[in-house]
Amino acid sequence: EVQLLESGGGLVQPGGSLRLSCAASGFTFSNYAMNWVRQAPGKGLEWVSSLGGGGSIFYADSVKGRFTISRDNSKNTLFLQMNSLRAEDTAVYYCVKARGLERSSYYFDSWGQGTLVTVSS
Amino acid sequence: QSVLTQPPSASGTPGQTVTISCSGSSSNIGSTTVNWYQQLPGTAPKLLIYSNNQRPSGVPDRFSGSKSGTSASLAISGLQSEDEADYSCSTWDSSLNGWVFGGGTKLTVL
Repeated sequence: EVQLLESGGGLVQPGGSLRLSCAASGFTFSNYAMNWVRQAPGKGLEWVSSLGGGGSIFYADSVKGRFTISRDNSKNTLFLQMNSLRAEDTAVYYCVKARGLERSSYYFDSWGQGTLVTVSS
Repeated sequence: QSVLTQPPSASGTPGQTVTISCSGSSSNIGSTTVNWYQQLPGTAPKLLIYSNNQRPSGVPDRFSGSKSGTSASLAISGLQSEDEADYSCSTWDSSLNGWVFGGGTKLTVL
């Protein structure tokens, strides 16, 4: 059974930094593209970043230059380093496993329970 | 403003069929497959439909998806109270080089 367990969320001041982690189990972690998707309170889902099994990286324009995605395949762990945080980054951040034949047809088949990031003074 | 457009709400009575639309453009829905996610209250999203019309194991066949041109639809037949949830469409956008979601549709079972 696939399990994705996020950690590292919390309250941070505007301009501050936070590092999210996602511990994965139940599948061959290195073979799959992993993603972060967030959901602001009362709002819809927003894709944040993706890191492919081969190392390809993508970011949403809203976080480009501020967030960095990385992974440690030896520890089956995905990370999201978030710098220069803004109030609009306040959201539940989900760790999400992707599946599909090619990137343009990927679908998000497993989701973690999410970790809440609150950016406020 | 979401790249994919969904109605904010939908409703139906038990047993009815409800359809939720998702409208996009040639750079997203028009050029690749669409996926749908169900989010029950207070829980994480769950994959409901992938590749336009495929159901993951465990998803009842009451749920079906379709795509035509730059639009997609999710149909729920034999509506049940436990179907009350938020439903979101998603796909890859080649112009944005990333995945996009609809704003979500809150389904109420009356």
